[in-house]
Amino acid sequence: RKEVEQDPGPFNVPEGATVAFNCTYSNSASQSFFWYRQDCRKEPKLLMSVYSSGNEDGRFTAQLNRASQYISLLIRDSKLSDSATYLCGLVRGYIPTFGRGTSLIVHP
Amino acid sequence: NAGVTQTPKFQVLKTGQSMTLQCAQDMNHEYMSWYRQDPGMGLRLIHYSVGAGITDQGEVPNGYNVSRSTTEDFPLRLLSAAPSQTSVYFCASLDTNYGYTFGSGTRLTVV
Repeated sequence: RKEVEQDPGPFNVPEGATVAFNCTYSNSASQSFFWYRQDCRKEPKLLMSVYSSGNEDGRFTAQLNRASQYISLLIRDSKLSDSATYLCGLVRGYIPTFGRGTSLIVHP
Repeated sequence: NAGVTQTPKFQVLKTGQSMTLQCAQDMNHEYMSWYRQDPGMGLRLIHYSVGAGITDQGEVPNGYNVSRSTTEDFPLRLLSAAPSQTSVYFCASLDTNYGYTFGSGTRLTVV
């Protein structure tokens, strides 16, 4: 089993929709968790860190569930500009591991 | 601008040639990594470093060397390029609270 698993999608949603992605991880010793956004032919950019208490940044909400070993990203009121690939990342002892990414396509 | 600087942005090599991909960061981060990204494979860790003078292998280290003589620089060397090394390469440095910052990438083609 891969250390980090994501549904590759694509998730095809209309503007204004709410969409959620999950990312499961296998190593319970993982310490820090992040969501990244990657646009086509660009580098990944940090979207938000993920905490057990949950954190929100505008239309984006991230959550960590340590008991079930997954993190989630919720995007509300999707915009065309949200179309991208979303990567989850975790750090364990400073060694980083990333999921393969979930593709989101927001259409008019 | 502060961040991670990678050079070159594009490179074409012939099989058997060697080259060095440069990576520099000005955020005084101790932890740096090199990844390759291939379609459908996600980001795969090649080598990483937890500080000057300390490096270790990641998931796909074969065919690559690294060194870390300073905190700022973490170059990746391709010893004898092969077509299987055609990929996009990203360097990244870590802030443990804020995650990894990536360079803009190097698109390498080996013919």
